[in-house]
Amino acid sequence: TQLLEQSPQFLSIQEGENLTVYCNSSSVFSSLQWYRQEPGEGPVLLVTVVTGGEVKKLKRLTFQFGDARKDSSLHITAAQPGDTGLYLCAGYNTDKLIFGTGTRLQVFP
Amino acid sequence: EAQVTQNPRYLITVTGKKLTVTCSQNMNHEYMSWYRQDPGLGLRQIYYSMNVEVTDKGDVPEGYKVSRKEKRNFPLILESPSPNQTSLYFCASSPDRLHPSYEQYFGPGTRLTVT
Repeated sequence: TQLLEQSPQFLSIQEGENLTVYCNSSSVFSSLQWYRQEPGEGPVLLVTVVTGGEVKKLKRLTFQFGDARKDSSLHITAAQPGDTGLYLCAGYNTDKLIFGTGTRLQVFP
Repeated sequence: EAQVTQNPRYLITVTGKKLTVTCSQNMNHEYMSWYRQDPGLGLRQIYYSMNVEVTDKGDVPEGYKVSRKEKRNFPLILESPSPNQTSLYFCASSPDRLHPSYEQYFGPGTRLTVT
C-alpha cells in the first residue's frame, strides 16, 4: 500500500514566521500535487511538480519535489493569517492519486 | 461558473436508512470520483468513473454504490448506512482520466453523521 506521511500534523505560528511542511513516502510517484483546503470547502490545487528535483514558486510558497520523487516539501515565507488551512500533498502513480495525511496550519495575527 | 456541486451539505441519519448524496459538474469532465475524509487518514477514494456507464472501485468501496448514467452526475448511494460511514465526503471531477498534470476539482463536501 502506498502511503504519504505528512509532518507536522499540526502547526500554529505567528504572522510573519516561516514554516516548512514535509510529505514523505517509500514509494516513487510520477508527480506530486499540493492542495489547500479551507473549512467548509473542498481542496483546491496549489501546484503540480513532475520532475525530480523540481522547485516551483508561487508568491511566498515554494514547493520542491525530491530528487528520487519519493518526497516533497512546501515552504511558506512570512506566513499570513490567510494561509490558514489544511495542506494536503497527493502523489500520482499508475492511475491512482494517493493523498497524504494532511497538515493543519493556523497563522495568528 | 465552473463548479462541482454536492447535495445535501449536511445530513444526519439513522443506521440502515438508505440515502443518496448527489454530485454534479458543469465542466463536461470525463473523470469523476468520490472520496471520504477522516481525521489522520487524509482523503481516501471510494469509487471513480472514467466515463458514462464506467465505474470502478477505489480503496474503500465497501458499503457504497455509485452510478454514472449521465456525464455530469455521479451520485453516491449508501444502501444501509452504518456509524462507521460517518465522515466528510467529497466529489471530484477532472478533464480526463487521472493524469499527472490534471487538476481535480472538488465539491464543497457533505458531512454525514450516522447514528
